[in-house]
Amino acid sequence: AQSVTQLDSQVPVFEEAPVELRCNYSSSVSVYLFWYVQYPNQGLQLLLKYLSGSTLVKGINGFEAEFNKSQTSFHLRKPSVHISDTAEYFCAVSETSGTYKYIFGTGTRLKVLA
Amino acid sequence: GAGVSQSPSNKVTEKGKDVELRCDPISGHTALYWYRQSLGQGLEFLIYFQGNSAPDKSGLPSDRFSAERTGGSVSTLTIQRTQQEDSAVYLCASSLTTGLNTEAFFGQGTRLTVV
Repeated sequence: AQSVTQLDSQVPVFEEAPVELRCNYSSSVSVYLFWYVQYPNQGLQLLLKYLSGSTLVKGINGFEAEFNKSQTSFHLRKPSVHISDTAEYFCAVSETSGTYKYIFGTGTRLKVLA
Repeated sequence: GAGVSQSPSNKVTEKGKDVELRCDPISGHTALYWYRQSLGQGLEFLIYFQGNSAPDKSGLPSDRFSAERTGGSVSTLTIQRTQQEDSAVYLCASSLTTGLNTEAFFGQGTRLTVV
């Protein structure tokens, strides 16, 4: 079985500052890794994903994440945030074969301050 | 359709009543998921359908919850004898599961309020 841990429930950060949202996972099988974003009163949309290859993946809106297999982490980063990045961010894993079931973390609420 | 469609978008029901929530996945998507999003609780996995395989019901919180997927397309989540703790946003998602095409696409959700 897989599990996802997002240790930070809320992260306040000033506009134009860098941010890192942490995600750790546990799995006995190979997994794909995802970050989803949910803007206020909107549905979830994919921010970026790691399937294979380069461990540094780039997504929409200037976000990137790095897969670290030894630390079982997939932290999300952005060098300079904007007010519009205020949202809830979810890390997720799915198996690379078999069920492909998605398991999500509890989410991190990013609040960008002016 | 172009995306995952859920209906109704909002549902208010009295405690003890049964409710049905509908999900229309993206055409051709073999996998369908139901999640529950409660305030401060993240996305709680409920049930997963994959093609013709038996559904993974391991996330259903009680026997009051059930779901079916007819013809490999539309899915209905049924909650019987609703309780106040069932109040949440119920999200449906669908995906392909071929090779690397595993991105899940989400609907806008059904906000259920049990009064």
